[in-house]
Amino acid sequence: NAGVTQTPKFQVLKTGQSMTLQCAQDMNHEYMSWYRQDPGMGLRLIHYSVGAGITDQGEVPNGYNVSRSTTEDFPLRLLSAAPSQTSVYFCASSTRFHGYTFGSGTRLTVV
Amino acid sequence: AQTVTQSQPEMSVQEAETVTLSCTYDTSESNYYLFWYKQPPSRQMILVIRQEAYKQQNATENRFSVNFQKAAKSFSLKISDSQLGDTAMYFCAFMKHNNAGNMLTFGGGTRLMVKP
Repeated sequence: NAGVTQTPKFQVLKTGQSMTLQCAQDMNHEYMSWYRQDPGMGLRLIHYSVGAGITDQGEVPNGYNVSRSTTEDFPLRLLSAAPSQTSVYFCASSTRFHGYTFGSGTRLTVV
Repeated sequence: AQTVTQSQPEMSVQEAETVTLSCTYDTSESNYYLFWYKQPPSRQMILVIRQEAYKQQNATENRFSVNFQKAAKSFSLKISDSQLGDTAMYFCAFMKHNNAGNMLTFGGGTRLMVKP
């Protein structure tokens, strides 16, 4: 039981490049979310989902797209990377009534 | 929109002593959940304790307990018998449901240092 798996762990992008952060969970959780954590701050919600085909925007969705075609996977796409997107990204999953289980994070640097 | 405020950016405590971390939140919801998460230097987010808003009884998990005051919108974390491994960032978080899923809102965090 791997929990929530994020890949890659580290990534450096050039401004304007696109990429996808991968997230997979093997706990059959219906709820999944993406967060970003900037230095010295708490986590901020980017996008979230209650199941395949259902997603919604969180607090900071601009510049990011998500889709959820399966229960297990919830990839986050950066459309055109900007230095302001330099951050640590966390994916998480949960059931309806319990707290989220988090992945180990992806440290992204945009130069 | 919900807001979560942690008014103590940094705290320290001697090993084996007790420390309380503060958290207040603002919401118009009646059904919600509150959490404390721990983030050690490894940056892994670890769930410490969970509280359902409809339950008056305060949650406890071993050395960790909360003081939940719903009317005051306060949710503090008490760590008893502090250990060196408790050194970490602690985040208070508020969660509500909607049709698209669970929305989790975090406070800005409190950095806790446990001193030997």
